[in-house]
Amino acid sequence: AQSVTQLDSHVSVSEGTPVLLRCNYSSSYSPSLFWYVQHPNKGLQLLLKYTSAATLVKGINGFEAEFKKSETSFHLTKPSAHMSDAAEYFCVAPLIRDAGKSTFGDGTTLTVKP
Amino acid sequence: NAGVTQTPKFRVLKTGQSMTLLCAQDMNHEYMYWYRQDPGMGLRLIHYSVGEGTTAKGEVPDGYNVSRLKKQNFLLGLESAAPSQTSVYFCASSPRGLQQPQHFGDGTRLSIL
Repeated sequence: AQSVTQLDSHVSVSEGTPVLLRCNYSSSYSPSLFWYVQHPNKGLQLLLKYTSAATLVKGINGFEAEFKKSETSFHLTKPSAHMSDAAEYFCVAPLIRDAGKSTFGDGTTLTVKP
Repeated sequence: NAGVTQTPKFRVLKTGQSMTLLCAQDMNHEYMYWYRQDPGMGLRLIHYSVGEGTTAKGEVPDGYNVSRLKKQNFLLGLESAAPSQTSVYFCASSPRGLQQPQHFGDGTRLSIL
């Protein structure tokens, strides 16, 4: 079955240091993959998406993610964390054999310390 | 630039009452979804629709009904509210296709007393 696993439920970094949020996927063939961000009391907002055009994907707010087929990973990174990055992040994969549905990771809460 | 609009934003109900949550999108999207989000449980799909006049069950459909009479609207109904349905409800929409992201509303916070 197609699934995504976010390896950390909580990540804490200091402002100005790099961010790494990890996501592994399982699928028999290259999927589409998305990262979303959810700020408090808001809906999910698309950060970036992978659609097989390029393995390194750049998103909004300085985030990027690299699709690595050999490692079945799609980790989210940012070189320098900002206080406004504190939020929950979700890795999401559309289900190939179930049109319209997606599988969501459990989310990673990012805390940014001053 | 309304996107996905959910009505109401907050609601408190008593056990056994009924209510309808409204979701409206102005992007002409084919697909629409209702999720609930509870602490420690991520997002769980309640019902979804792949087109006007069609609906399908998600992971947690019990106690909810939906209708999609118009392409731009997706209604979620609670016939007899229970405390276990206290949650934050999110509506989302997307165009057809695996490479299309979902667009989310800002949620409805529902408390059942």
